[in-house]
Amino acid sequence: NAGVTQTPKFRVLKTGQSMTLLCAQDMNHEYMYWYRQDPGMGLRLIHYSVGEGTTAKGEVPDGYNVSRLKKQNFLLGLESAAPSQTSVYFCASRLDRPNEQFFGPGTRLTVL
Amino acid sequence: GDSVTQMEGPVTLSEEACLTINCTYTATGYPSLFWYVQYPGEGLQLLLKATKADDKGSNKGFEATYRKETTSFHLEKGSVQVSDSAVYFCALGGAGYSTLTFGKGTMLLVSP
Repeated sequence: NAGVTQTPKFRVLKTGQSMTLLCAQDMNHEYMYWYRQDPGMGLRLIHYSVGEGTTAKGEVPDGYNVSRLKKQNFLLGLESAAPSQTSVYFCASRLDRPNEQFFGPGTRLTVL
Repeated sequence: GDSVTQMEGPVTLSEEACLTINCTYTATGYPSLFWYVQYPGEGLQLLLKATKADDKGSNKGFEATYRKETTSFHLEKGSVQVSDSAVYFCALGGAGYSTLTFGKGTMLLVSP
């Protein structure tokens, strides 16, 4: 079991560029999540999905889009990157019950 | 809405000292409570959890008791080690909750 994996681990973008972060889980989990982590802000939920084909907005969804076409994958897209999106991005997944979340190792994104 | 408040860090201790990290919460339902740990450069890992009032979660020498009367879930350890240096997050969620609500995290630094 690889658990939750994230691709890429690091990325540097220029303002206005687009990119997609991939999250994959091999635990057959229903729920998947995207968070960003910034100094002094803790973890903030961007978007989440309660099952294949579903998505929902979290606390800070602006500037991001997501898709869950397959149960095991959850993609986070930045259409036009801004310096304010410089952050560490974490993906997580969970079963319905019990509901503790399993986290990936993170993607460090820098937008210049 | 639901919220979690943790003591601000960093908490700086010498090896073998006692640790308490305070966590209080507000919730409209009957959540489960969690402590997650994040080691440097890694994603979050579940440390312990409690699903109902008066439950005690424990793992790796850490303990926390779900206190409904004081809406608290303080993390304790009798003797910390250098390897315990990490950021600790308190969170609430549970059955009927699609998402977790996290505190901002408390950094623990343990010196030899």
